[in-house]
Amino acid sequence: DVKVTQSSRYLVKRTGEKVFLECVQDMDHENMFWYRQDPGLGLRLIYFSYDVKMKEKGDIPEGYSVSREKKERFSLILESASTNQTSMYLCASTPQGLPLYEQYFGPGTRLTVT
Amino acid sequence: GQQLNQSPQSMFIQEGEDVSMNCTSSSIFNTWLWYKQDPGEGPVLLIALYKAGELTSNGRLTAQFGITRKDSFLNISASIPSDVGIYFCAGFTGANSKLTFGKGITLSVRP
Repeated sequence: DVKVTQSSRYLVKRTGEKVFLECVQDMDHENMFWYRQDPGLGLRLIYFSYDVKMKEKGDIPEGYSVSREKKERFSLILESASTNQTSMYLCASTPQGLPLYEQYFGPGTRLTVT
Repeated sequence: GQQLNQSPQSMFIQEGEDVSMNCTSSSIFNTWLWYKQDPGEGPVLLIALYKAGELTSNGRLTAQFGITRKDSFLNISASIPSDVGIYFCAGFTGANSKLTFGKGITLSVRP
């Protein structure tokens, strides 16, 4: 079974803090994604990566950066957390060769910025 | 940008009832998808539709890819309590390699 794990299920941070959200997949997938999910807005793509050290902006990259130093790990970084970044963050992955929409999602990290 | 419209935001049905959900777009998609998110989990792909007019079933679920390629529906028959969750439609063009998600419909099933 494909497993996508996220470092924390719940996280509380203060405004201005630097926040790292970690995502690890154990199936050697090339493609990895970060989404945020907000009520009434659905899932919105923040960043994605096709390979190690490669990254592409999604629809809402402002205020975020990412890092992919190893194939299995894709990190989302909030350089200076703000209250409007309170949200559910979902990581997903898919292997090269499968359609990009066949994404395996992690359980999510619910981040609260106070 | 592309947007997918799902409404209402919430639906409440009685166990055993059928329910139908619609998803519409102003843009054409080449692939339509339906995902379900259980409480506390990430979304899981339920059905993928590849051709205009295609009707696909997966157990009690049936989905159709609209003829105009701008809409899709999902039908759940004989609902059961474990059908509760958020149902997202999504569209894929392949052109920019990104999925576009709808806002989701939260389904509640009363026993």
